[in-house]
Amino acid sequence: GENVEQHPSTLSVQEGDSAVIKCTYSDSASNYFPWYKQELGKRPQLIIDIRSNVGEKKDQRIAVTLNKTAKHFSLHITETQPEDSAVYFCAVDIGAGSYQLTFGKGTKLSVIP
Amino acid sequence: SQTIHQWPATLVQPVGSPLSLECTVEGTSNPNLYWYRQAAGRGLQLLFYSIGIDQISSEVPQNLSASRPQDRQFILSSKKLLLSDSGFYLCAWSVMTGTQYFGPGTRLTVL
Repeated sequence: GENVEQHPSTLSVQEGDSAVIKCTYSDSASNYFPWYKQELGKRPQLIIDIRSNVGEKKDQRIAVTLNKTAKHFSLHITETQPEDSAVYFCAVDIGAGSYQLTFGKGTKLSVIP
Repeated sequence: SQTIHQWPATLVQPVGSPLSLECTVEGTSNPNLYWYRQAAGRGLQLLFYSIGIDQISSEVPQNLSASRPQDRQFILSSKKLLLSDSGFYLCAWSVMTGTQYFGPGTRLTVL
């Protein structure tokens, strides 16, 4: 099955700095790569996603880059703010039209004011 | 627009008691539905997924079961809870785009 590795598991940055979280996956048939943000005690919420026909996607301070050849994708958050503090999960579809996502183990981001 | 509901929001149950958690989706037809469990400080573990009424796949062997009696209703059950069943239970839905949207969750504590 699909194997998703997410690094780092924890990340602390100063407010205003950038944060980068990376995920690698194993199944070359995967085509869909979402990122979720989960605040303490709340549900995971989709913040950005990318499909395999696109190399980069940006939404204000958040961007995702995808390297299909190397089978990795990354979340970039610029000008971090305290409200960016949360756990971030990457996910990968299992491929071949599957309805399932495999999630990384999560990265706890702390933005220090 | 689509919305997803889960209840109850919190639940405290003794070991050996039964369990029933309910999830309903509004504003879409024939959604794919999912049950996940999240232990404290941990990742998301897929328990069950369903692509249609009475079409349910189990991802892990356990003392839990799922049912989908209606198109937009997904139920998670257990006949006898274990301590290890404690966690945050999340229901999610998706359509053909693959994006999954999560419900507000049920926090279950088994004592």
